Amino acid sequence: DAGVTQSPTHLIKTRGQQVTLRCSPISGHKSVSWYQQVLGQGPQFIFQYYEKEERGRGNFPDRFSARQFPNYSSELNVNALLLGDSALYLCASRPGTGYSTDTQYFGPGTRLTVL
Amino acid sequence: KNEVEQSPQNLTAQEGEFITINCSYSVGISALHWLQQHPGGGIVSLFMLSSGKKKHGRLIATINIQEKHSSLHITASHPRDSAVYICAVYQGAQKLVFGQGTRLTINP
Repeated sequence: DAGVTQSPTHLIKTRGQQVTLRCSPISGHKSVSWYQQVLGQGPQFIFQYYEKEERGRGNFPDRFSARQFPNYSSELNVNALLLGDSALYLCASRPGTGYSTDTQYFGPGTRLTVL
Repeated sequence: KNEVEQSPQNLTAQEGEFITINCSYSVGISALHWLQQHPGGGIVSLFMLSSGKKKHGRLIATINIQEKHSSLHITASHPRDSAVYICAVYQGAQKLVFGQGTRLTINP
């Protein structure tokens, strides 16, 4: 079975632009989470979605938004990009409902560079 | 102070050595993940535990809920174990809070 997939792999944008990152969970997984990992640091939680509903949100500005589709894939959108948004964006899926602590399976990430 | 602290931040050892990475947390948790991240970014879950001890091959993870501390041990370390090891704790069921990672280098 395929693991979590993310696209694109790499992306270069300029300040002020908007970006959309995509994630496909493992087949059968209905919960998707997004994380931001700045170089040299651990990941930071951005969002968790289950059955198209937001179940959790980290401490990120409203420029960050996400949604989940009926096939459980997800998109992360970032508007008005800042230099500080340059990071590896990780998606993770999990088999549970998001109300239990289960193992998360991570995708390879999208590396975003903002110039 | 970070909610999840790992030590050491960097660790270099010779092949065959016994490795210990420590994780301390300051918040109430429901479970703890140990994760491995290789260059290029891919993250793999090694263990998830909420009590006691788990073993998988040469890897052993322990957790002491009362002391808010977990350790990851690697026996008979090998150069292919070189990676960043990250401790992450579940706050509730939605949010994972990560440590800053421990960069492990095993020299042949």
